[in-house]
Amino acid sequence: AQSVAQPEDQVKVAEGNPLTVKCTYSVSGNPYLFWYVQYPNRGLQFLLKYITGDNLVKGSYGFEAEFNKSQTSFHLKKPSALVSDSALYFCAVRDSREYGGATNKLIFGTGTLLAVQP
Amino acid sequence: GAGVSQSPSNKVTEKGKDVELRCDPISGHTALYWYRQSLGQGLEFLIYFQGNSAPDKSGLPSDRFSAERTGGSVSTLTIQRTQQEDSAVYLCASSHGQVSFGNTIYFGEGSWLTVV
Repeated sequence: AQSVAQPEDQVKVAEGNPLTVKCTYSVSGNPYLFWYVQYPNRGLQFLLKYITGDNLVKGSYGFEAEFNKSQTSFHLKKPSALVSDSALYFCAVRDSREYGGATNKLIFGTGTLLAVQP
Repeated sequence: GAGVSQSPSNKVTEKGKDVELRCDPISGHTALYWYRQSLGQGLEFLIYFQGNSAPDKSGLPSDRFSAERTGGSVSTLTIQRTQQEDSAVYLCASSHGQVSFGNTIYFGEGSWLTVV
């Protein structure tokens, strides 16, 4: 079965320091990977995605993510964190059928709460 | 509109009552999704509509849940005989094309449902 794991429930970082939010995946076939952010009492906002091509993907608000096929990871990064980056971050992967072929569902991780301290 | 619009934003209902949640997708988006977000279950897929194709209902948790999409645009998620475990945020999303081809899903703000 397809799955995505976010091993850290919470990440704390000081403002101005680099941040990393981890995501690993398990899929059959080529992974399509997504990052979303959720601010308090809001819906999910799209940050970036990896479909194919360069392993380093750049997205909104200065975020980027690196696709690593050998480690089956897609960690979210930002060189310098802002207090306003504090939010819940979700990694997601396109689901696939067990007998092959993609579906139109996204499977989400459990989320990582990022706290950026001033 | 500019984004996915959902209503109501908040709904408190009594156990056993029926509720309807509405979603207006981004103009021109052919695909529409419903997800549920709850504390214990995270983000769960409920149902997917694509154009005039039969919807993928594989995520609906019980026959008390149903959804329809009229005219290929607005969608309504109906929960009959609500139970306390139905309390959650119901998120609607839409995309210009299919996620299976790598298209991006854009979410609305959600409808917060509380069953008392």
